[in-house]
Amino acid sequence: AQKVTQAQTEISVVEKEDVTLDCVYETRDTTYYLFWYKQPPSGELVFLIRRNSFDEQNEISGRYSWNFQKSTSSFNFTITASQVVDSAVYFCALSDPLTTGANNLFFGTGTRLTVIP
Amino acid sequence: EADIYQTPRYLVIGTGKKITLECSQTMGHDKMYWYQQDPGMELHLIHYSYGVNSTEKGDLSSESTVSRIRTEHFPLTLESARPSHTSQYLCASSELSGGGELFFGEGSRLTVL
Repeated sequence: AQKVTQAQTEISVVEKEDVTLDCVYETRDTTYYLFWYKQPPSGELVFLIRRNSFDEQNEISGRYSWNFQKSTSSFNFTITASQVVDSAVYFCALSDPLTTGANNLFFGTGTRLTVIP
Repeated sequence: EADIYQTPRYLVIGTGKKITLECSQTMGHDKMYWYQQDPGMELHLIHYSYGVNSTEKGDLSSESTVSRIRTEHFPLTLESARPSHTSQYLCASSELSGGGELFFGEGSRLTVL
């Protein structure tokens, strides 16, 4: 069964628009971790946020915000007032170490965001 | 800023060649990983290691092999490259035993002709 689903393959927005990237996950564990990574054209994955399953508080960091809802198994990511530099592929990921026995990340298929100037 | 390095960044080789992708980290992390990224973006774990002399296969079957003789070094080897091995290979490391952030290298993009 797929553990992380990012239904949006590609999104294009005009600069300064807000955009939300969806992430739905699946796990049987009560203890798990969710992540968002950004992959710019240069190729490396840049860590954005980690959230553990016991902390449902939403988080805001500058123009970025994350909405974690256990009831719907979702961990959505919103960029406010998007900029061209936000253009990248964004990955949502899940770690459920009690099941896998390891610190492995299961990645979604990614969402390619293009911000048009 | 992450201190994890991959070489080469880009490699184009012919079928049948043996290649080694290098990965080194200077953070003293026990755990290291290799992910393969398809051209369509999806990432799959192919190898991981908990420490020196520990290697495990990941979720995606791969013909590559890895070794972990030193904590900081986790090379990946293909004995006989084929066009189906064309992909981006990403190395990562982490410190914590569960739920820890993974630090990624910039990747090695391999093309086999």
